[in-house]
Amino acid sequence: NAGVMQNPRHLVRRRGQEARLRCSPMKGHSHVYWYRQLPEEGLKFMVYLQKENIIDESGMPKERFSAEFPKEGPSILRIQQVVRGDSAAYFCASSPNVASGSHEQFFGPGTRLTVL
Amino acid sequence: QKEVEQDPGPLSVPEGAIVSLNCTYSNSAFQYFMWYRQYSRKGPELLMYTYSSGNKEDGRFTAQVDKSSKYISLFIRDSQPSDSATYLCAMTPDNYGQNFVFGPGTRLSVLP
Repeated sequence: NAGVMQNPRHLVRRRGQEARLRCSPMKGHSHVYWYRQLPEEGLKFMVYLQKENIIDESGMPKERFSAEFPKEGPSILRIQQVVRGDSAAYFCASSPNVASGSHEQFFGPGTRLTVL
Repeated sequence: QKEVEQDPGPLSVPEGAIVSLNCTYSNSAFQYFMWYRQYSRKGPELLMYTYSSGNKEDGRFTAQVDKSSKYISLFIRDSQPSDSATYLCAMTPDNYGQNFVFGPGTRLSVLP
């Protein structure tokens, strides 16, 4: 059973370009979460999605950031017109359907975004 | 005051020592408590998961929750160099697995 997969693992963009980060949840998991981690800081919640629905995006910056989790395919975190301050590690986590009673989140290896 | 506080360390201990890692929190609504281990440049890995107050043991790891004091701990017995990592506490108030709040992490080094 493959774990949470993220790609690319490393992404370099110049200021003003777009960054697309992908996350495939664990098999059987229908909930996806995106977090950002800056050096020496904890994980900061960004957005929580289920298939075709954004459940909670209270941690997402109001501009330039968007996320989706389509019916087919991975979840995508999209950052438009990147700035140097967007440089961070972005982690995706997934969890089973809440009806299973599990609240655990399983993390992917992360995508390290560097904005030049 | 931050919602979840954690001493960032670094904490250095000799191999075989008992390690105590702690978090304090301010939101009394938190019900579910987790500890994650994160190796350098890797994703967090779930170590322990507890609900409400009490103790939970898994091998060399013991998690304690004291809701009255808003304080949680992770104990590592017979620590090994392979335990060297950053340990993150996380907690959430609700049944839906969302609204996780993470501490900033404590960096642990176990010296051979």
